[in-house]
Amino acid sequence: AQSVTQLDSQVPVFEEAPVELRCNYSSSVSVYLFWYVQYPNQGLQLLLKYLSGSTLVKGINGFEAEFNKSQTSFHLRKPSVHISDTAEYFCAVSDREQAGTALIFGKGTTLSVSS
Amino acid sequence: NAGVTQTPKFQVLKTGQSMTLQCAQDMNHEYMSWYRQDPGMGLRLIHYSVGAGITDQGEVPNGYNVSRSTTEDFPLRLLSAAPSQTSVYFCASSYWDANTGELFFGEGSRLTVL
Repeated sequence: AQSVTQLDSQVPVFEEAPVELRCNYSSSVSVYLFWYVQYPNQGLQLLLKYLSGSTLVKGINGFEAEFNKSQTSFHLRKPSVHISDTAEYFCAVSDREQAGTALIFGKGTTLSVSS
Repeated sequence: NAGVTQTPKFQVLKTGQSMTLQCAQDMNHEYMSWYRQDPGMGLRLIHYSVGAGITDQGEVPNGYNVSRSTTEDFPLRLLSAAPSQTSVYFCASSYWDANTGELFFGEGSRLTVL
């Protein structure tokens, strides 16, 4: 069964600093990878996804992620964060056999941006 | 389009009571799923459906029941509520092709079992 490990439960950073949120997944078979963001008391919103093609994926709000098959990683990055990026971030995976049906999520990383 | 609509948004139950969380989507999506979110645990898949009449278990199905009689609706039933089922529940729907793959989430239903 698939599993996702988000290596940091909390990441505190200062405004305008770069940030990387780390995600590793378990399976070596072909997968689809996603990052979702959840703002306080809200549902989940898709940040970006890797389905195929270029391993560098750009998403909304200036975020990007790189798919690394050999390291089974999909780390999320932003070169300069804002206070408004404070939220919980979830990495998720779906293997190709279950594509689109449901996702397996990591436990989340809380990003706290302060001034 | 309303997207994915969950009701109720808040509910308090006593141990042993039963209830149904409703989920409806108006996007004609084939796939629907239910997750529960607990602090420090992320989202865990309860049940999912790939179309009307077809359901399957996820990671944490015990104590929950689902059915999918129409494309639009995917209710989640708690048969005999337990305090361990206190959580925030999210319903999601999706339509899959090689260029999409996004799950659309409802706003969540916060359930407290006393």
